[in-house]
Amino acid sequence: GNSVTQMEGPVTLSEEAFLTINCTYTATGYPSLFWYVQYPGEGLQLLLKATKADDKGSNKGFEATYRKETTSFHLEKGSVQVSDSAVYFCALSSISGGGADGLTFGKGTHLIIQP
Amino acid sequence: NAGVTQTPKFRVLKTGQSMTLLCAQDMNHEYMYWYRQDPGMGLRLIHYSVGEGTTAKGEVPDGYNVSRLKKQNFLLGLESAAPSQTSVYFCASSYLGTPYEQYFGPGTRLTVT
Repeated sequence: GNSVTQMEGPVTLSEEAFLTINCTYTATGYPSLFWYVQYPGEGLQLLLKATKADDKGSNKGFEATYRKETTSFHLEKGSVQVSDSAVYFCALSSISGGGADGLTFGKGTHLIIQP
Repeated sequence: NAGVTQTPKFRVLKTGQSMTLLCAQDMNHEYMYWYRQDPGMGLRLIHYSVGEGTTAKGEVPDGYNVSRLKKQNFLLGLESAAPSQTSVYFCASSYLGTPYEQYFGPGTRLTVT
């Protein structure tokens, strides 16, 4: 079956530091890949997506590139802010369902940014 | 628009009791989902629905039932609660054209003692 593996947290960084959160996946074929973010006390919200190999998703200064050769979708940001503190989830959708049959999520990475 | 709302926000049950969690969305979305979130486990899909009157099992459906009698509502039922069902439950919905872009509710924290 499909699965997503993320680096364990929490990840603690100082403001303006460079961020990388690793994500690798196992799936049949080439699924679509996503990063979702969960701010404290809230539900998840879509941060960015990539639907085919070599696509780069970007939003709010965050980027991730779909690498089929390494089955990875690492999240990066050049300069983090305190407001980026949240839990980040890597996810994929099945090829057949496209997400209609649900998403497969990683366990989440808690990011803490200190001023 | 209220988006996706969930009722209740918190609940404590005793083992063996039953309850229903209500999810409502006002975005006219076709697809709806129930996930549970447990520490160190991420989110796991319980059941989902691709339209009014249709439901399907997800990864962890045992001990839960669902119904979607109206397009805007998706109910999750626990017939006989167990401590293993202590979790945070999230409802989500998505549009037909972009099913992967799921809009989540704020969650229901359920404790079963």
